Amino acid sequence: DAGVTQSPTHLIKTRGQHVTLRCSPISGHKSVSWYQQVLGQGPQFIFQYYEKEERGRGNFPDRFSARQFPNYSSELNVNALLLGDSALYLCASSLFSGQGNQPQHFGDGTRLSIL
Amino acid sequence: GENVEQHPSTLSVQEGDSAVIKCTYSDSASNYFPWYKQELGKGPQLIIDIRSNVGEKKDQRIAVTLNKTAKHFSLHITETQPEDSAVYFCAVPIQGAQKLVFGQGTRLTINP
Repeated sequence: DAGVTQSPTHLIKTRGQHVTLRCSPISGHKSVSWYQQVLGQGPQFIFQYYEKEERGRGNFPDRFSARQFPNYSSELNVNALLLGDSALYLCASSLFSGQGNQPQHFGDGTRLSIL
Repeated sequence: GENVEQHPSTLSVQEGDSAVIKCTYSDSASNYFPWYKQELGKGPQLIIDIRSNVGEKKDQRIAVTLNKTAKHFSLHITETQPEDSAVYFCAVPIQGAQKLVFGQGTRLTINP
């Protein structure tokens, strides 16, 4: 079975632009979470979506937004890009059923570079 | 909020020796403890996890131990091999949520 897939793998943008990152979860997984990983650090939680509803939001500005589609895939959008947004953006999916903790499985991420 | 401390930040061991990485957490209600391995250019890969109703779990050369009283859990890798070289992260979920709080990571190097 395919794992979590993310696209694109790499992206270069300039300050002030907008970006959309995409994620397809493991088949059967209904929960998708987004994380930002700055070089040399652990991933930081951005959003979680379950059954197309936002279930959690991390400490990120309103420039960051996301949504989940009926097929459980997800998009992360970032507006007005700043140099500090340069990072690896990771998507994770799980069998989360609304409560409790289920293992999260990560994709290989999108490497975003802001010039 | 949950605070996760991971040590050491770097670890170098001879091939065939054992490696141990430790994490401490702050929320006594935490009940699920995963470990991830991240290789260069890849996303974190779940390698083992443990729930609070057991004290130890093993999977071939890797094991995780949990001490709920002291609020720490450890990753043990025995008979290390060059392919074990990677960055390892512990994580703790916010209670009842799928939000993982990660440790700072440990860069493990296996010397041939």
